Amino acid sequence: QKEVEQDPGPLSVPEGAIVSLNCTYSNSAFQYFMWYRQYSRKGPELLMYTYSSGNKEDGRFTAQVDKSSKYISLFIRDSQPSDSATYLCAMSAETSGSARQLTFGSGTQLTVLP
Amino acid sequence: GAGVSQTPSNKVTEKGKYVELRCDPISGHTALYWYRQSLGQGPEFLIYFQGTGAADDSGLPNDRFFAVRPEGSVSTLKIQRTERGDSAVYLCASSLRLAGPSNTGELFFGEGSRLTVL
Repeated sequence: QKEVEQDPGPLSVPEGAIVSLNCTYSNSAFQYFMWYRQYSRKGPELLMYTYSSGNKEDGRFTAQVDKSSKYISLFIRDSQPSDSATYLCAMSAETSGSARQLTFGSGTQLTVLP
Repeated sequence: GAGVSQTPSNKVTEKGKYVELRCDPISGHTALYWYRQSLGQGPEFLIYFQGTGAADDSGLPNDRFFAVRPEGSVSTLKIQRTERGDSAVYLCASSLRLAGPSNTGELFFGEGSRLTVL
């Protein structure tokens, strides 16, 4: 079993829909939770960052972390065709060093239809 | 540009050949990472440098893989005796030194080097 499991795609929604993307994890040491967005043939780029449990909102995007259930979510409101990409959840445990090693989910491919 | 630069963008080689992939991180970023992304999968950690030294190489799959960062900036990932299973996109990322949980530790990724082993 992988440390991070991500809902399989592909996911196709009409423009304006609310999108829900999810990941579960097994490592209770994970404390840092991120969502990266990856466009085709590009590198991932950070979309949302959350430390420990709770919610975080940034424009049309909301990230939720439930550490008790080992479950994280990303919600996209009023989805746009430009949101079409692969969404990767990523997590990291506390480290003694000065950088974090990320464990990624397998990604969910999202298409928003005009 | 000011982003992470990776070369070559595409590399096709034959089984058994030696390959080098280069990464030029964002200026001032002390941490540098190599990840490997297979088709339909998320990036998998290979190795992480803090300065010139490899702080964590636990993700390297075997001794055919090696990476260096001799001057604490540019890094080269080296793959000996390539196998068809090595075919993937090799992603490089860099980040600033962390200073606590409020620092996102954002990894800035390059566009990757797509390796195909025939």
